[in-house]
Amino acid sequence: ELVLTQSPGTLSLSPGERVTLSCRASQGISGTYLTWYQHKPGQTPRLLIYGASSRATGIPDRFSGSGSGTDFTLTISRLDPEDFAVYYCQYYGASPPYTFGQGTKLEIK
Amino acid sequence: QVQLQESGPGLVKSSETLSLTCTVSGGPLTFHSWSWVRQPAGKGLEWVGHIYSTGVTKYSPSLKGRLTLSLDPSKSQVSLNLTSVTAADTALYYCARLNYYFGYSLDVWGQGTTVAVSS
Repeated sequence: ELVLTQSPGTLSLSPGERVTLSCRASQGISGTYLTWYQHKPGQTPRLLIYGASSRATGIPDRFSGSGSGTDFTLTISRLDPEDFAVYYCQYYGASPPYTFGQGTKLEIK
Repeated sequence: QVQLQESGPGLVKSSETLSLTCTVSGGPLTFHSWSWVRQPAGKGLEWVGHIYSTGVTKYSPSLKGRLTLSLDPSKSQVSLNLTSVTAADTALYYCARLNYYFGYSLDVWGQGTTVAVSS
């Protein structure tokens, strides 16, 4: 069973900083089905990046995704106050479960 | 624009069956596939299951045997039935659209419905 491990668990940063979040798969996967979501408390999860590197509709270009094989990253080039949230990666593989990573929480320093 | 609205009983007794519905508006139910995701309080997102436009289903192995997803095109609804619930099933349950064109990502989400299992 595939396991997605996100790191770090929590990051404390200031607006304007650059941040890179990691999602590591327990086995090699296709980036075509690697997705990143943003989830703020009390709100619905929001699709950010699909296919490892394609921004979803309406997502600012400060968000970018990259990676291949077992290592994938989500980068926010300059943190905006609205970016402080929990970020999850997820993989749609050949068979279930289509597990989410455990999430990385970005908090304001 | 597709919108999703989950509904359910809010409170279910332990060992009973949980039934949730997701009403889809703004687009045809059978053109897309649909997922359920849940989030226990203070924890991360947990994938529950998918139902494809064909009616084929995929379930989380941890729920298999208890979970049934179905489509009702006449009501434009996706249904979730989870039998023999326990406290571990207490969570916020989301319905989401599974979008093939976006790498099978979940691109539209409902607001979620809270489920509490009482003993």
